[in-house]
Amino acid sequence: AQSVSQHNHHVILSEAASLELGCNYSYGGTVNLFWYVQYPGQHLQLLLKYFSGDPLVKGIKGFEAEFIKSKFSFNLRKPSVQWSDTAEYFCAVIRGGGSSASKIIFGSGTRLSIRP
Amino acid sequence: DAGVIQSPRHEVTEMGQEVTLRCKPISGHDYLFWYRQTMMRGLELLIYFNNNVPIDDSGMPEDRFSAKMPNASFSTLKIQPSEPRDSAVYFCASSLGTGSGQPQHFGDGTRLSIL
Repeated sequence: AQSVSQHNHHVILSEAASLELGCNYSYGGTVNLFWYVQYPGQHLQLLLKYFSGDPLVKGIKGFEAEFIKSKFSFNLRKPSVQWSDTAEYFCAVIRGGGSSASKIIFGSGTRLSIRP
Repeated sequence: DAGVIQSPRHEVTEMGQEVTLRCKPISGHDYLFWYRQTMMRGLELLIYFNNNVPIDDSGMPEDRFSAKMPNASFSTLKIQPSEPRDSAVYFCASSLGTGSGQPQHFGDGTRLSIL
C-alpha cells in the first residue's frame, strides 16, 4: 500500500535556525508531491508543489523542497525560520499521470515549534 | 474568489443525534474531498467526489457516515447516530482536476464535539 512517512513528529528550533523536514513515500511510479502548512486553529494551506521539471521547488514564505526520485524523498527546507513558522506541516503524494484522480495520501504531519 | 466554505464552524451535540456538515466548493472545481483530522489519527480522507459522483468512499469509517453531493456547489457529510469518538475537525477540500495531481484547497473546517 502507498504510504507517506514523516519521521519527525515534533521539531523545536530557535529563530534563525535552518529547517529540514523529512518526507518519504513508498510509491514507485510517477508522483505529484505537495507540502501543506496548518497554522494553529486554521485550515491547511498549500506551501508548494512538484509536478515535473526542476526537482528543486520554491514555495511561499521562503520554503523550498527538493524531489530526489532515487531516495523517494521530498524534504522541506527553509534556511532561517521565524517564530511565525510555528505550525504543523504535512507532506502529501498523489500518483501522477493518467486522466483520473488518484487519492491523495497525507503524511502524519510534523509539528514545528519555534522558540522566539 | 471565495474559497471553500464550510458550515457550521463549530458543532456541539449529544451522542445519538444526527449531525450534518455542509460544504460549498470553489466554483468550477470538479473534485470535492471530505477529511477528518484528530490528534490520534492525523488527517484521514473519508470520501471524494468527481463531478458530483462518489469515486472512493473507502475511508468512511462505518455505515453511520454518509456523504452526498446533489449538485456541483454543495455537499453534505452526515453522521447518524453520532458517537463521542466522532469528535474531530472535519475538512472539506476541492480541486480543479483536469488531470490528476492538482492541489486541493481546504475550507476552514467544522470542529465537531459529541458529548
